[in-house]
Amino acid sequence: ETGVTQTPRHLVMGMTNKKSLKCEQHLGHNAMYWYKQSAKKPLELMFVYNFKEQTENNSVPSRFSPECPNSSHLFLHLHTLQPEDSALYLCASSQEAQSERFTDTQYFGPGTRLTVL
Amino acid sequence: KNQVEQSPQSLIILEGKNCTLQCNYTVSPFSNLRWYKQDTGRGPVSLTIMTFSENTKSNGRYTATLDADTKQSSLHITASQLSDSASYICVVSDGTGANNLFFGTGTRLTVIP
Repeated sequence: ETGVTQTPRHLVMGMTNKKSLKCEQHLGHNAMYWYKQSAKKPLELMFVYNFKEQTENNSVPSRFSPECPNSSHLFLHLHTLQPEDSALYLCASSQEAQSERFTDTQYFGPGTRLTVL
Repeated sequence: KNQVEQSPQSLIILEGKNCTLQCNYTVSPFSNLRWYKQDTGRGPVSLTIMTFSENTKSNGRYTATLDADTKQSSLHITASQLSDSASYICVVSDGTGANNLFFGTGTRLTVIP
């Protein structure tokens, strides 16, 4: 295992539901990330937290709301999603989000497979 | 535009055979290139990372090459095993941070007995 856990592993929700994805890292890292992985598309970076501060929001719709209460935990709150939001949501962590030449290895969790009906 | 393109999109090989996956990029400036392996139902796991000055790097049966002049990288898998069946993703960094990592769409490798 990579030291990054995600729950739930699978989630099916209706467009009017509210749900949350949880990520926890046991590696002592200071940076955590949410990525979206859709079929035949590159991974899309959604949010970056560095030392608990959000440093990046890549034009993600407001129906996705991240929360980082401490450097080990990261949540993604979901509200009124659309069917096109169905994808694999991956959490990752690394030592820092911005370092010289950024050679930090990102460690990914197993992902949450989200289906929006 | 910074892009990473991988080929082939998918590949099927017999167990024990070798194969080579390609990654071409247009990212500039270039800092490093990483290959990830993603098993079905799991997140990507780093195989190798190569910086500008490195031409070849091995990790067991996996050997990555980098030609920074032509902006090409390859991942060679020797004596393939069934457990090598996975998606292989090429990621290029411009060195400014995690928000500037450029991901390829991956090559889906299937190793059959």
